[in-house]
Amino acid sequence: DVVMTQSPLSLPVTLGQPASISCRSSQSLVDSDGNTYLNWFHQRPGQSPRRLIYKVSNRDSGVPERFSGSGSGTDFTLKISRVEAEDVGVYYCMQPTLWPPITFGQGTRLEIK
Amino acid sequence: EVHLVESGGGLVQPGGSLRLSCAASGFTFTTYWMSWFRQAPGKGLEWVANIKQDGSEKNYADSVKGRFTLSRDNAKNSLYLQMNSLRVEDTAVYYCVREIAARYWGQGTLVTVSS
Repeated sequence: DVVMTQSPLSLPVTLGQPASISCRSSQSLVDSDGNTYLNWFHQRPGQSPRRLIYKVSNRDSGVPERFSGSGSGTDFTLKISRVEAEDVGVYYCMQPTLWPPITFGQGTRLEIK
Repeated sequence: EVHLVESGGGLVQPGGSLRLSCAASGFTFTTYWMSWFRQAPGKGLEWVANIKQDGSEKNYADSVKGRFTLSRDNAKNSLYLQMNSLRVEDTAVYYCVREIAARYWGQGTLVTVSS
């Protein structure tokens, strides 16, 4: 199984400041079709997860431009250019490349300082 | 607009059974793989199972293999998860999710396994 490792697990950020979350996979997520399938999700307290980013760097519709994804192979990053209050919650990376099973990182809890 | 509405959760004793349902709308159901994910209280996200568009392929997490059965009724735009031999560690919110890349999630249904 592909192990997804996120860091940090807790991320206190001041409003308006940038934030960055790392996600590393135990195997390359480059698929045989040449695509890299690595997604990012945000889950607010008491809500269902919401997908933010798919295939490393593509923002889903309605996702603010302050969110960006980057990376390749086994090393990926989610960045928020300027954190807003609504960004609090837990962020997860997920790989749907080498499945079954589909696997997630442990989650990174973002809070406002 | 895509809607996924789960139902069927509740309290069950260890060793018992439950059947979860998911009613899908707002998209062509037969076009997509469908999945169940779950989240134990205070824990992270876990993939449970998925099923191909025509039901010809199903995959299960090792933790549920042999106990859970996934099915779909394309005529009713519905997805089902039959859960047998439930264990305390199956306690979680279960989410119905569209496609392997998990674009859309339902609101979830809580399954509590406790004596």
